[in-house]
Amino acid sequence: DTGVSQDPRHKITKRGQNVTFRCDPISEHNRLYWYRQTLGQGPEFLTYFQNEAQLEKSRLLSDRFSAERPKGSFSTLEIQRTEQGDSAMYLCASSLSLAARNEQFFGPGTRLTVL
Amino acid sequence: AQTVTQSQPEMSVQEAETVTLSCTYDTSESDYYLFWYKQPPSRQMILVIRQEAYKQQNATENRFSVNFQKAAKSFSLKISDSQLGDAAMYFCAYKTDKLIFGTGTRLQVFP
Repeated sequence: DTGVSQDPRHKITKRGQNVTFRCDPISEHNRLYWYRQTLGQGPEFLTYFQNEAQLEKSRLLSDRFSAERPKGSFSTLEIQRTEQGDSAMYLCASSLSLAARNEQFFGPGTRLTVL
Repeated sequence: AQTVTQSQPEMSVQEAETVTLSCTYDTSESDYYLFWYKQPPSRQMILVIRQEAYKQQNATENRFSVNFQKAAKSFSLKISDSQLGDAAMYFCAYKTDKLIFGTGTRLQVFP
């Protein structure tokens, strides 16, 4: 394992359906982050975990969104009752330790299209 | 709230020339980190360079260097000897726990 992986890479769904994305961080990294990136914009923070604890959630994360990291390893991001405005690239990143200087390593992202 | 502003949506440079990308930020914190990330087309984001706010010396990584002006809250990226492979979106980011990104600058490199 040489990097952060995300699955699926692309997801097309119809409005109202539920979708779930998975992120596998670099194995020794204890922090895991989710970001959302819409076309022409920079990534926006959604939430992050330290081990299995979800430490912060953005107000962008409506009650239709839920994220888990049950064993402190991989994480899932679920969107319920998808809306067209949820169409975006969902990026996962991981980092080691608490030091703010530590680089976040990004995965390739999951591109969600809601029809 | 912290904010990051990149005022140049697009920049272009000729191969082997030098280009500077601008970034300003706003924060009331005194201890933080600043990053430049590169996002090539359809590829994942990678770190270009980082700067610790408590360090006065500007960071340098090979052809990439920054001009960090803490009082002015400015953090520009200079790319020297530009190469075709430098073409990408460049994002400036401010970090305490999470990253706060600017809107990005699309860099085109012409032969």
